[in-house]
Amino acid sequence: KNQVEQSPQSLIILEGKNCTLQCNYTVSPFSNLRWYKQDTGRGPVSLTIMTFSENTKSNGRYTATLDADTKQSSLHITASQLSDSASYICVVSHSNDYKLSFGAGTTVTVRA
Amino acid sequence: GAVVSQHPSWVICKSGTSVKIECRSLDFQATTMFWYRQFPKQSLMLMATSNEGSKATYEQGVEKDKFLINHASLTLSTLTVTSAHPEDSSFYICSARVGVDTEAFFGQGTRLTVV
Repeated sequence: KNQVEQSPQSLIILEGKNCTLQCNYTVSPFSNLRWYKQDTGRGPVSLTIMTFSENTKSNGRYTATLDADTKQSSLHITASQLSDSASYICVVSHSNDYKLSFGAGTTVTVRA
Repeated sequence: GAVVSQHPSWVICKSGTSVKIECRSLDFQATTMFWYRQFPKQSLMLMATSNEGSKATYEQGVEKDKFLINHASLTLSTLTVTSAHPEDSSFYICSARVGVDTEAFFGQGTRLTVV
């Protein structure tokens, strides 16, 4: 059973609009939670990494939040651009063996 | 961030042949490298963990004799798909870390198509 669940599976937004992606996880105990952007046919690129004590972290127009009590995280994209079209993957690191558990990703399509 | 280079980016091979994929950390030494497989619209699945100078640790269900991993130096790991079959067609991605729980840097991936 996948320990990292992401929603929605996909979404389409208009250029300039904002959107929020969700990540729920059951990994416990966890060391950190990461968000990656993966363009089609490419490897993932790191956006943010947060430990359990961090509530929010920003990287340009990307802002991630973390609620370690409810085991939920979100990634907010502000003023979306066409180049934001990609798959966004939530990844949780296990603190016992530091293995990474990957969500299936949310495919974001930004249209002009 | 650090750079991990994966080569080739895509390869087409005939069924029954072997294919080697290289993963290099260009500007840092990676004590541990990871090999993943990704099917369309699915998450990355860890195949094996490669530690420099020692045998790779394979995940359950991954055939170690089919997916040969070598990590001969701190900057290079290779994955060889032996006697490839069409069902081995997939997107293979490597990842490297400097330390145990540090940032993971991913290669650009290799699209393998077996015909």
